[in-house]
Amino acid sequence: GQSLEQPSEVTAVEGAIVQINCTYQTSGFYGLSWYQQHDGGAPTFLSYNALDGLEETGRFSSFLSRSDSYGYLLLQELQMKDSASYFCAVFGTGGFKTIFGAGTRLFVKA
Amino acid sequence: KAGVTQTPRYLIKTRGQQVTLSCSPISGHRSVSWYQQTPGQGLQFLFEYFSETQRNKGNFPGRFSGRQFSNSRSEMNVSTLELGDSALYLCASSLVGDGNTEAFFGQGTRLTVV
Repeated sequence: GQSLEQPSEVTAVEGAIVQINCTYQTSGFYGLSWYQQHDGGAPTFLSYNALDGLEETGRFSSFLSRSDSYGYLLLQELQMKDSASYFCAVFGTGGFKTIFGAGTRLFVKA
Repeated sequence: KAGVTQTPRYLIKTRGQQVTLSCSPISGHRSVSWYQQTPGQGLQFLFEYFSETQRNKGNFPGRFSGRQFSNSRSEMNVSTLELGDSALYLCASSLVGDGNTEAFFGQGTRLTVV
């Protein structure tokens, strides 16, 4: 089957760095994406890795290793507004669909 | 440009009834995907439409159906509602739905079945 595993919750302090891991059991997908969702809000796109390696966008970086079936989202210089749920997702396994993980709830403390 | 619009935002229905939800994608986007979101379950894929054709379907019962119109607007229908159908239903639009381009989500429709 197709599944993505993420930690359910992560807590970190303001200004710190946090890594949210995503392991998957699927094959044939085109890329790994990350989305952020604040309470009551819509998911918003953060990053996409089509190839192995690190993609950096400001304070956020995302990494993919297909050989290890593993990816992660790295958030630097954490801010209170980063408190949200983060979802990893894979596209293309089994057709034109995106499969999401259950999400990681990030709590940023002062 | 205008974002993805979902209507209605909130809906309360009784078991056994049916419901239709609407999604208007960003202008120019031809791919619309639907997801069901429940606490702790993430986003469960329902189906994806492109140019009025369903290209893929998730593992939901046949009570869940959808369609897409020539202007790319999409609707999903749930018949014979069950209590377990209570969830946030999200739609996402993208240019061609190939995964290489960003998908934009609407605010969702919060469905409560009583």
